[in-house]
Amino acid sequence: DTGVSQDPRHKITKRGQNVTFRCDPISEHNRLYWYRQTLGQGPEFLTYFQNEAQLEKSRLLSDRFSAERPKGSFSTLEIQRTEQGDSAMYLCASSRTAAGELFFGEGSRLTVL
Amino acid sequence: AQSVTQPDIHITVSEGASLELRCNYSYGATPYLFWYVQSPGQGLQLLLKYFSGDTLVQGIKGFEAEFKRSQSSFNLRKPSVHWSDAAEYFCAVGPQNSGGSNYKLTFGKGTLLTVNP
Repeated sequence: DTGVSQDPRHKITKRGQNVTFRCDPISEHNRLYWYRQTLGQGPEFLTYFQNEAQLEKSRLLSDRFSAERPKGSFSTLEIQRTEQGDSAMYLCASSRTAAGELFFGEGSRLTVL
Repeated sequence: AQSVTQPDIHITVSEGASLELRCNYSYGATPYLFWYVQSPGQGLQLLLKYFSGDTLVQGIKGFEAEFKRSQSSFNLRKPSVHWSDAAEYFCAVGPQNSGGSNYKLTFGKGTLLTVNP
């Protein structure tokens, strides 16, 4: 059990650029979640996958955001045409089952200049 | 819509003192309740959870929490704080969907705990 791994840990980009984050969940965890955490706030749910199927998306996830989990293993979260308001910590979590404990990664911090 | 309130943004206690972190929630029914801890540069770690049954739940690292339905509260306690407990603590609620899915957690804004030697 190597834990949930996220890459990169920190990304600095200019407004308007595209960025992509990767999450490797704990192996055999079929559920994968993305949350966003801004300064001074708790994490906010963005979306989640069961295997390769994206089952729900929050209204926080605008059209510039897209998440995939093509083979039911790792997941990517892409943000197109980044805005300064996208600056946040993007957290990934996985669980073995629907009612299972969420294991969080250390997060990917995005800074948009 | 469900919400979580953590009234205390920052708490400072001395090492060895007792601790209580407050959490109030708003939800139409009895939710699933969680406490997470986040240390600098670390991911969120689950301390304890309440789904049903005994309203006093025990967690890791000597923490416990009590669910009080009448007060819509789920306060976290520890009888004697250690310096390593300094971190940010988040209370969260999740919906009691069929199948017990707890994926869509709503978090409070967190309470930062400082421990003085």
